[in-house]
Amino acid sequence: QVQLQESDPGLVKPSETLSLTCSVSGGSMTSYYWSWIRQPPGKGLEWIGYIYYSGSTNYNPSLKSRVTISVDTSNNQFSLKLSSVTAADTAVYYCARGRYQLDYWGQGTLVTVSS
Amino acid sequence: DIQMTQSPSTLSASVGDRVTITCRASQSISSWLAWYQQKPGKAPKLLIYMASSLESGVPSRFSGSGSGTEFTLTINSLQPDDFATYYCQHYNSYPWTFGQGTKVEIK
Repeated sequence: QVQLQESDPGLVKPSETLSLTCSVSGGSMTSYYWSWIRQPPGKGLEWIGYIYYSGSTNYNPSLKSRVTISVDTSNNQFSLKLSSVTAADTAVYYCARGRYQLDYWGQGTLVTVSS
Repeated sequence: DIQMTQSPSTLSASVGDRVTITCRASQSISSWLAWYQQKPGKAPKLLIYMASSLESGVPSRFSGSGSGTEFTLTINSLQPDDFATYYCQHYNSYPWTFGQGTKVEIK
């Protein structure tokens, strides 16, 4: 059974860079796409972007200038960096497997942007 | 961006009811649509993909239909475990977007 687990950065200061890692266990990262999605408290879901195990990426245009997703298949991990964060970036961040439909999800981690 | 609009936003139903949730796309998305169930404090769970394909392990009381711009998620004989929020998501063209959610409450 594939399992995903996000790291827990907790609090990030405005204008800094949010960094998250998703650890994948119970299966290989090879031949799959890996995604990030976020959900502001009490609100709906927003697709951030995905990365293929080989490294090719696709990002939501609304975040593209600030987002970088990378992959480390040797350690079964992929990562999200979101720069110049503001309070609007406060959300639960989820990692998931898939390019289209998302079939396995991490439990999510709340990232709060505050000074 | 393609806008996904779900209706209703909230639905009150009883155990055993047949429930239908609608998702409308602002332009045609063929059958590139998924449905998810989310419970409070939990990650979404994939129920349906390609508009009508049931994800492995999902009970058969869940079904999806539609194509183009109008889609439905139907739950036959609502069970206590089904009270949750449901989201549709398209993957026709970037960026993927989600509906605003439909909360299924106990009547």
